Amino acid sequence: GNSVTQMEGPVTLSEEAFLTINCTYTATGYPSLFWYVQYPGEGLQLLLKATKADDKGSNKGFEATYRKETTSFHLEKGSVQVSDSAVYFCALNNAGNNRKLIWGLGTSLAVNP
Amino acid sequence: EPEVTQTPSHQVTQMGQEVILRCVPISNHLYFYWYRQILGQKVEFLVSFYNNEISEKSEIFDDQFSVERPDGSNFTLKIRSTKLEDSAMYFCASSVIGTEFNYGYTFGSGTRLTVV
Repeated sequence: GNSVTQMEGPVTLSEEAFLTINCTYTATGYPSLFWYVQYPGEGLQLLLKATKADDKGSNKGFEATYRKETTSFHLEKGSVQVSDSAVYFCALNNAGNNRKLIWGLGTSLAVNP
Repeated sequence: EPEVTQTPSHQVTQMGQEVILRCVPISNHLYFYWYRQILGQKVEFLVSFYNNEISEKSEIFDDQFSVERPDGSNFTLKIRSTKLEDSAMYFCASSVIGTEFNYGYTFGSGTRLTVV
């Protein structure tokens, strides 16, 4: 079946530190991969996505590369800000008629000034 | 930017009572979804809805759950007789048909349901 595994949080960093949140997946076929972010008190927002192997998604300084050989989609940012404090979710969606998202557990990030 | 709106943001209900969670999807979207997240657990798919009928549902979505699009704008999730284990954050989402693979869904900010 399909599943997503994320590194457990919480992750606490100082401002300007480098961020990596690991995400690996199990899926049949060729899924699309997503990172969603949930800021305090808000809904789930799409942060970035990649739809095929070796694609790199990027947004707001965050990046993730779709690695089929390692079944990974790790989220990175070179220099985090306090405003990046949020919960980050990795998710996948398999192609075809199956439109539902399969989610990781979420990783809470706290960035201190 | 268009938003998915959910009401209420927080609902407390007694076990055995019926609750209706409300969502207003983005107006030109055609697919609608409910997900839930029990505290400390993964976000779970409940149901997808298209063309006025359920297109897919999970095993969580049993006879106690139902969805409806009563008019052109609202999309509701009803739980007929709530249980303690229904306590969770419920997220509504919508998508334009065929594009969610590229753009992802648009989610609402969620309704936190607490069953006491």
